[in-house]
Amino acid sequence: GDSVTQMEGPVTLSEEAFLTINCTYTATGYPSLFWYVQYPGEGLQLLLKATKADDKGSNKGFEATYRKETTSFHLEKGSVQVSDSAVYFCALGSGNTPLVFGKGTRLSVIA
Amino acid sequence: DVKVTQSSRYLVKRTGEKVFLECVQDMDHENMFWYRQDPGLGLRLIYFSYDVKMKEKGDIPEGYSVSREKKERFSLILESASTNQTSMYLCASSKRTGRAEAFFGQGTRLTVV
Repeated sequence: GDSVTQMEGPVTLSEEAFLTINCTYTATGYPSLFWYVQYPGEGLQLLLKATKADDKGSNKGFEATYRKETTSFHLEKGSVQVSDSAVYFCALGSGNTPLVFGKGTRLSVIA
Repeated sequence: DVKVTQSSRYLVKRTGEKVFLECVQDMDHENMFWYRQDPGLGLRLIYFSYDVKMKEKGDIPEGYSVSREKKERFSLILESASTNQTSMYLCASSKRTGRAEAFFGQGTRLTVV
């Protein structure tokens, strides 16, 4: 079945550092890809998405590019802030079935 | 602004009680989902529904049931709460169109004592 693998956390960075969280997927069809963010004590919020190969999703300084050839959708941000501390989930959607989520990566940004 | 609303942010219940977690969405979405979230285990799908009065088991349905009498409302029922059901519960909804994103509620942190 479909699956998502994302890098294990936690990830700890200093403010203004560059962030990469790796995500790779396995899918039988042609999925959409998503990144969600969860702040402490809250539900998940959609951060960005991409629906076809080579699409780049972007929001709040975060970016991810749908790479079909490497089955990847890595999340990047050029300069993280303390307020970016959260758990990040990579997910895929294929057909009308529930989204498949990675296990999440906890990011802590220190001043 | 799209919205998925869960009836409680925090709940404390006793072992053996019947517990209802309510979720309402205002986006006219066909699909609704219930997940639980535990440290180190990520999100696990309990039940989902593609339409009114329809339900499908997810990965961990044991000890739970659901009800969907109206399109906008999806209830999760713990028939007899146990301490191992202490968790964060997340409701979500999405359009029926394929590959659509899901929108989440704020979560209910349930403690069973």
